[in-house]
Amino acid sequence: TQLLEQSPQFLSIQEGENLTVYCNSSSVFSSLQWYRQEPGEGPVLLVTVVTGGEVKKLKRLTFQFGDARKDSSLHITAAQPGDTGLYLCAGSQAAGNKLTFGGGTRVLVKP
Amino acid sequence: DAGITQSPRHKVTETGTPVTLRCHQTENHRYMYWYRQDPGHGLRLIHYSYGVKDTDKGEVSDGYSVSRSKTEDFLLTLESATSSQTSVYFCAIRPIAGQYTQYFGPGTRLTVL
Repeated sequence: TQLLEQSPQFLSIQEGENLTVYCNSSSVFSSLQWYRQEPGEGPVLLVTVVTGGEVKKLKRLTFQFGDARKDSSLHITAAQPGDTGLYLCAGSQAAGNKLTFGGGTRVLVKP
Repeated sequence: DAGITQSPRHKVTETGTPVTLRCHQTENHRYMYWYRQDPGHGLRLIHYSYGVKDTDKGEVSDGYSVSRSKTEDFLLTLESATSSQTSVYFCAIRPIAGQYTQYFGPGTRLTVL
């Protein structure tokens, strides 16, 4: 059983549509990070959120950390084919030495 | 670019053989990590290091050992590879103690026949 559950596992949408990916846990995290990974490469950090209720925007991507610091969401507005990839959330608890990853959400944006 | 390289990038080996994967960093970061990635599991921590000769186990450490004799290199060894260890292995570094961000290498795809 994973500490961090991501949903959905797979998402296929048309270019221009919006999408939301969820990352949920019953545990509290000191911080939560979102990564994007493309085939044959390592994950690349998109954002780190550390404060309950925090919202961060990165161009068309909006990240939110839940008030209780147990969940997070990633919203993409007007998705583009370049947004295609595997999105991973990862949480850190006290001391921050280790990250726990969710199972990932594979996003496919069709032109 | 976090200056992380992994070698080899691809390896095919047979069950029962020893395998060593190498992670090399150029910026003398203290924390280094080894993960494996399998479909549906995200990344799972195998071992990590918080300094030369200082290592600790992660959630899936059985069948793996690590060594760090110098800051820039973190080695992952499969003493006797099994088919269940077929996976993609990623090394990561954490540049700043007390902060959470990790940066990942390009990965090593290992197939155990």
